[in-house]
Parts: sequence; C-alpha cells; structure tokens
Amino acid sequence: QSVLTQPPSVSAAPGQKVTISCSGSSSNIGNNYVSWYQQLPGTAPKLLIYDNNKRPSGIPDRFSGSKSDTSATLAITGLQTGDEADYYCGTWDLSLSVEGVFGGGTKLTVL
Amino acid sequence: QLQLQESGPGLVKPSETLSLTCTVSGASISGSRYCWGWIRQPPGKGLEWIGSMYYSGSAYYSPAVKSRVTISVDTSKNQFSLNLSSVTAADTAVYFCARHISGSYWAYWGQGTLVTVSS
Repeated sequence: QSVLTQPPSVSAAPGQKVTISCSGSSSNIGNNYVSWYQQLPGTAPKLLIYDNNKRPSGIPDRFSGSKSDTSATLAITGLQTGDEADYYCGTWDLSLSVEGVFGGGTKLTVL
Repeated sequence: QLQLQESGPGLVKPSETLSLTCTVSGASISGSRYCWGWIRQPPGKGLEWIGSMYYSGSAYYSPAVKSRVTISVDTSKNQFSLNLSSVTAADTAVYFCARHISGSYWAYWGQGTLVTVSS
C-alpha cells in the first residue's frame, strides 16, 4: 500500500479535461512540496510538476498542479492521445525519518 | 545536459547481493545542492523509493529495506552505487537512479535497468 493515495485509473475523451487526485497526511503532503511524474510505457518517469504547481521548462501549460491541506491535484486540459500514461505524485514523509514517498499511480486513458 | 545510466547484472540469485552502479555525466556528483538516489518499480506496480545520498556521502534509506541496503559514492568516477543484500523474488524490479533536490523533486532519471531475482 502506498503512503499517498491516487485513483487507479481515469479516462476522458481527446480535448477534454481530467484531474488526478493525490491524498496524503500532515506528515507528507501537508508539510512538503508535491511533484508529479508522467511515465509512458517502458520509459522512466518524467517530471511534470514540482513545488506543487511549477512546470519545468518544456512542459506545456496544459498540465497544472495544485495543493490544498493534505491533498494535491494534477489537471490536464486539452487531452491528447499522447497523454496516455501512468501518472505518479511524490513527496517526502517526515513522520519518523526522512522518507521519499509516491502514490500508487494513475493510469490515464484517452478514449 | 545531465544524464544518468544504470549498470549491473540483470539476474541475481536469491539470498545474494544486488549491486548496481549509476554513472553520471554532464554534471559533477559533488554538487552541494543535490542528492542522488535509487527508486525501483516491480513489474506492473508503482514507484518505491529505496534511498538517497548527499554529495558528501551520508545516506538515508527506506525503512522497508534499511537493514539490507547501502548507497555509496565514488566521486573520482562520478558514480554512485546501490547494494541490496539477501535478495528475494520480491526485489525483482526495474531499478532507476535519479537526482533530486534535498527533500524535493526528482528532476533527472536514468532509463532504468531490470533486475530479476531467480535461481
């Protein structure tokens, strides 16, 4: 079981908007920045969002992140077939020691 | 452009030690702002943090593997390594090396290497 909770799957049609939630606690999301990663089949994860809502260079503004209390959300607008991938949220947990934690991943299907 | 590349055996026998090396190019591993770590992904499953290491060599590990894992650095070769002892089939996974800001996001990842634990 992952420390951070994500829905196993989401789906939407091309051009539509989808959101992916990531739920944690005060020892992780509640007191740390959240980052989001996109993993296409057979490849390494790629940083999409860092520090809750910032985009690295080259990431289109169709991708956005937000955080509220102990939850975070990734939103993708103008869905494209190339967005089909697994998405992971990540942060650090400070409950006992410093521990890197990830969500279980969400499979996005573009119908 | 920073690049990371994992290397090591793709097959390890149960009870033996899994050893992987990550070679860093495009930046010095001694940069003080960054940490270097290992993350694994069992087949069909999610990401699991194994441990991280500061440029100074001090490391911190996941409680799940803390008793079996060591991460070390060789600054002369610009490499860092993972040793995981007493492996079982549950350690079969794709292993990624990556760089992160201390306590923050993972910006650069290696391509990953599949390690299978089997006799």
